[in-house]
Amino acid sequence: AQSVTQPDARVTVSEGASLQLRCKYSSSVTPYLFWYVQYPRQGLQLLLKYYSGDPVVQGVNGFEAEFSKSNSSFHLRKASVHWSDSAVYFCAVSMGTGANTGKLTFGHGTILRVHP
Amino acid sequence: EAAVTQSPRNKVTVTGGNVTLSCRQTNSHNYMYWYRQDTGHGLRLIHYSYGAGNLQIGDVPDGYKATRTTQEDFFLLLELASPSQTSLYFCASSLGGLQDTQYFGPGTRLLVL
Repeated sequence: AQSVTQPDARVTVSEGASLQLRCKYSSSVTPYLFWYVQYPRQGLQLLLKYYSGDPVVQGVNGFEAEFSKSNSSFHLRKASVHWSDSAVYFCAVSMGTGANTGKLTFGHGTILRVHP
Repeated sequence: EAAVTQSPRNKVTVTGGNVTLSCRQTNSHNYMYWYRQDTGHGLRLIHYSYGAGNLQIGDVPDGYKATRTTQEDFFLLLELASPSQTSLYFCASSLGGLQDTQYFGPGTRLLVL
């Protein structure tokens, strides 16, 4: 079964600082990997996704993520955060086949708070 | 931008009550999903569907039924609601499976007293 671990439940940073949110997955094959963001009182929105190619993938709003097969990780980064980046960030994986195709498994999420 | 709407946005019911949550997407997506979001658990998949009349079991299906009546509409049914089903429910849709982006609705907050 696929699983996702986000080891940091909460992260607090100052505005303008760099950011890394960690994500590790468990899988026997390389999955499709996603980062979603949930702003207060809203549904989730896609930040970026990865399956193959360049291990560093660019997303919206200056976010990027780096895939590491050896570490089974897909960490999210941003060079300089803004107070509006305060939100909950979810890592997710998809590697179903057949009847499980399309099934996403989410991590528990990381709450990001950016001090203005 | 894909549009997914949910109704009601808030619902209060009593233990044993009957609740139907509605979801509509207007982008001709094939897949639709129901999730619940709880503190400490993230999002967990209840049921999903890849077309009208189809239903697939998710990871936490107990106590829930679902029905996909059309390409656009996906309903989640709680026939005997329990306090453990108090949660924030999200519907989502995607064009295909696996690698496709899921588009989420705004959520329905359900309180079971």
